[in-house]
Amino acid sequence: EAGVAQSPRYKIIEKRQSVAFWCNPISGHATLYWYQQILGQGPKLLIQFQNNGVVDDSQLPKDRFSAERLKGVDSTLKIQPAKLEDSAVYLCASSLIPVGNTGELFFGEGSRLTVL
Amino acid sequence: GEDVEQSLFLSVREGDSSVINCTYTDSSSTYLYWYKQEPGAGLQLLTYIFSNMDMKQDQRLTVLLNKKDKHLSLRIADTQTGDSAIYFCAESYGNKLVFGAGTILRVKS
Repeated sequence: EAGVAQSPRYKIIEKRQSVAFWCNPISGHATLYWYQQILGQGPKLLIQFQNNGVVDDSQLPKDRFSAERLKGVDSTLKIQPAKLEDSAVYLCASSLIPVGNTGELFFGEGSRLTVL
Repeated sequence: GEDVEQSLFLSVREGDSSVINCTYTDSSSTYLYWYKQEPGAGLQLLTYIFSNMDMKQDQRLTVLLNKKDKHLSLRIADTQTGDSAIYFCAESYGNKLVFGAGTILRVKS
């Protein structure tokens, strides 16, 4: 079974530039999450989708971050304009049903963003 | 709000047992989890425990839950060099997981 796919693996940009990350979840997984993992910290949830609808985006900095999940499958996370503090690994995860019922999230390898 | 605390670093010798500790704040958490992260990789679920259980054993892994003290621990028996990684404790909070900052486990041969 294919895992969660993410691209690009690495991205270096200058502040105020924009960047986009792509995620393809495990086939059949209705729930998709984007987490931000800053060096030395645990992952922090940015946004959760159930199919193509947003369930929770309370911690997403909406002035600069946006995310969409068209057709309830792939998702993109965009940052525009980027700030130095956005340097982090952006992890995409998916689950068959929402966490809190069974608990198993499947994570991709992450996209490492460096903002100079 | 929800918060999960972990010690930052643990060093053990190969063959010894490792015990990684975690405290959490949300007493309504349904499940508590342990995830493992190896360098350059995403997080991988190791095990989880339902909140009405005190203990769960899975091969070399033993999870202990003290719900009164909101304390969770992960014991790894016969620790191997391949167990070197970052271990994250997480609690369910509504429909999301809240992670601790992770404990770096270093196994010396």
